[in-house]
Amino acid sequence: GQNIDQPTEMTATEGAIVQINCTYQTSGFNGLFWYQQHAGEAPTFLSYNVLDGLEEKGRFSSFLSRSKGYSYLLLKELQMKDSASYLCAVRDGAGGSYIPTFGRGTSLIVHP
Amino acid sequence: DVKVTQSSRYLVKRTGEKVFLECVQDMDHENMFWYRQDPGLGLRLIYFSYDVKMKEKGDIPEGYSVSREKKERFSLILESASTNQTSMYLCASIDSFNQPQHFGDGTRLSIL
Repeated sequence: GQNIDQPTEMTATEGAIVQINCTYQTSGFNGLFWYQQHAGEAPTFLSYNVLDGLEEKGRFSSFLSRSKGYSYLLLKELQMKDSASYLCAVRDGAGGSYIPTFGRGTSLIVHP
Repeated sequence: DVKVTQSSRYLVKRTGEKVFLECVQDMDHENMFWYRQDPGLGLRLIYFSYDVKMKEKGDIPEGYSVSREKKERFSLILESASTNQTSMYLCASIDSFNQPQHFGDGTRLSIL
């Protein structure tokens, strides 16, 4: 099985930078996804990491260290609309199943 | 753009009723999933299907069944609804497992 940990809630100020961490334990790591979910809406894909390093997409970046079982999502120049839940999902290829397992999500509140 | 459509956004049913939740995707994806999402517990996999008439149990299949008679449609069935099945239900689909999942808008189901 997998153990995926994310902080439950974070708050930040508009215009600031926030880093949301995700730690995991797997026996056959095969990729990590980040999703954004606004209240009452579907999760939407943000980023995918399978190799170590940083992936940048505009204001959002995601980092992965496979040896440490660690990823983070970095949000720059925060806007009010970034208030949402951020879900980390890890794919474990051990046992032949490639279905991602989701963490419990981090609720981010951006205030003026 | 991939579209995953769930038949109802809100549904209220009574204990003991048989409940059907429908999901349709328009991108000819092989794989479809049903999750439930509860506060503090995140997304938990109920069932998934990798082809027509094929299904596999997820992490919490008890009390649920599924049907996949056509590639584009994946139905979740609550054989005899109980109050502990009150939840948000999300359907998702993907073509291959190194791609992100595409989610429907969710069905908020209340069992009274």
